Amino acid sequence: DAMVIQNPRYQVTQFGKPVTLSCSQTLNHNVMYWYQQKSSQAPKLLFHYYDKDFNNEADTPDNFQSRRPNTSFCFLDIRSPGLGDAAMYLCATSGQGPLNEKLFFGSGTQLSVL
Amino acid sequence: GEDVEQSLFLSVREGDSSVINCTYTDSSSTYLYWYKQEPGAGLQLLTYIFSNMDMKQDQRLTVLLNKKDKHLSLRIADTQTGDSAIYFCAEGGATNKLIFGTGTLLAVQP
Repeated sequence: DAMVIQNPRYQVTQFGKPVTLSCSQTLNHNVMYWYQQKSSQAPKLLFHYYDKDFNNEADTPDNFQSRRPNTSFCFLDIRSPGLGDAAMYLCATSGQGPLNEKLFFGSGTQLSVL
Repeated sequence: GEDVEQSLFLSVREGDSSVINCTYTDSSSTYLYWYKQEPGAGLQLLTYIFSNMDMKQDQRLTVLLNKKDKHLSLRIADTQTGDSAIYFCAEGGATNKLIFGTGTLLAVQP
């Protein structure tokens, strides 16, 4: 059973047209993350929520925003996608305890920008 | 800086052992992880090692940690075609964040 679910699997948007990617989890985990992974590169952390506390990475562009309306859902909003934003976007969760970085990943959303 | 480096590519024959290497820079890392990513999919945690250990074995997987040299390796015994994937090492401290390596593409030849 999928525990971290991302929708849609593939998303195509136009240059400059806002797009929202969604993530839901059934693990009741405190922490939710958004990673950006470009082709042949390591996943790069954009931001994460610890409960309702939002933590932005210093080098995440302002074009990327996130919302977490409740424990289960987290959204990634790209306000004005550029061609360079085409990538796989990975959502992940983690709980508390000694392995608080043990991440559970969704299958990702592959974003194309035309 | 936070750099985790891996070799880009490894090719082995089915049944052989694979060894994937990783060097990291943050000596305060608490845990070190190995994740597997199959094409078009998310990352799957394979195994992890606590920083005060130097070896961990989990079925076909053996993790070796040389903390002095900040070197981590993953050995896969009896490699199968289903092991073909990209393998990422990652380091984590106390900040709820992981720093991933550049990934190693493992190609298993039948």
